[in-house]
Amino acid sequence: EPEVTQTPSHQVTQMGQEVILRCVPISNHLYFYWYRQILGQKVEFLVSFYNNEISEKSEIFDDQFSVERPDGSNFTLKIRSTKLEDSAMYFCASSEGTTGNTIYFGEGSWLTVV
Amino acid sequence: AQKITQTQPGMFVQEKEAVTLDCTYDTSDPSYGLFWYKQPSSGEMIFLIYQGSYDQQNATEGRYSLNFQKARKSANLVISASQLGDSAMYFCAMREGRVGSARQLTFGSGTQLTVLP
Repeated sequence: EPEVTQTPSHQVTQMGQEVILRCVPISNHLYFYWYRQILGQKVEFLVSFYNNEISEKSEIFDDQFSVERPDGSNFTLKIRSTKLEDSAMYFCASSEGTTGNTIYFGEGSWLTVV
Repeated sequence: AQKITQTQPGMFVQEKEAVTLDCTYDTSDPSYGLFWYKQPSSGEMIFLIYQGSYDQQNATEGRYSLNFQKARKSANLVISASQLGDSAMYFCAMREGRVGSARQLTFGSGTQLTVLP
């Protein structure tokens, strides 16, 4: 069964460092998303991406965040200057969009900022 | 107001019994979709079931069914014949807007289900 894959599964980084989280969405999907989940809390929406541009973004997705689809398969989330409060599980998700109603999530990337 | 409310922080069920996890939602959009996800202790988010606001029938996927009561704005998940592997956190989520839009999912706070042997 096709799946969303994310790398790395876990990353520890120093405060102030840049981090790039990578995702390979399901190949025929058109819509891509990043969500995050701080330990013990709700899953929160960060950004959605369609047709090579941001479709929606939340208040969390401020200037330190950016997304890119550098080639036909990868979808990346960059955090420019990490803060302690960025420590969370980051989920990539994708959906077919046109006929499919399902939004599939990857296994997540645990980011720990020290 | 909360868009998705899950009032049961924790639930216990005996193995092989059925269990209902509650979810109520709030939206004024006539087009929306309701999702349930399972999050085991390993952390991944596993899609379980989807119900569209215009769907006439309640969604079913194997042992999972969604008890959709539109007038009450509830979308409860029913798990039949519980198994030990069903122990996990369960999230209800809603996407407002038509299918094909890149609208975000809004998640509830989750219900931690524990299946007892």
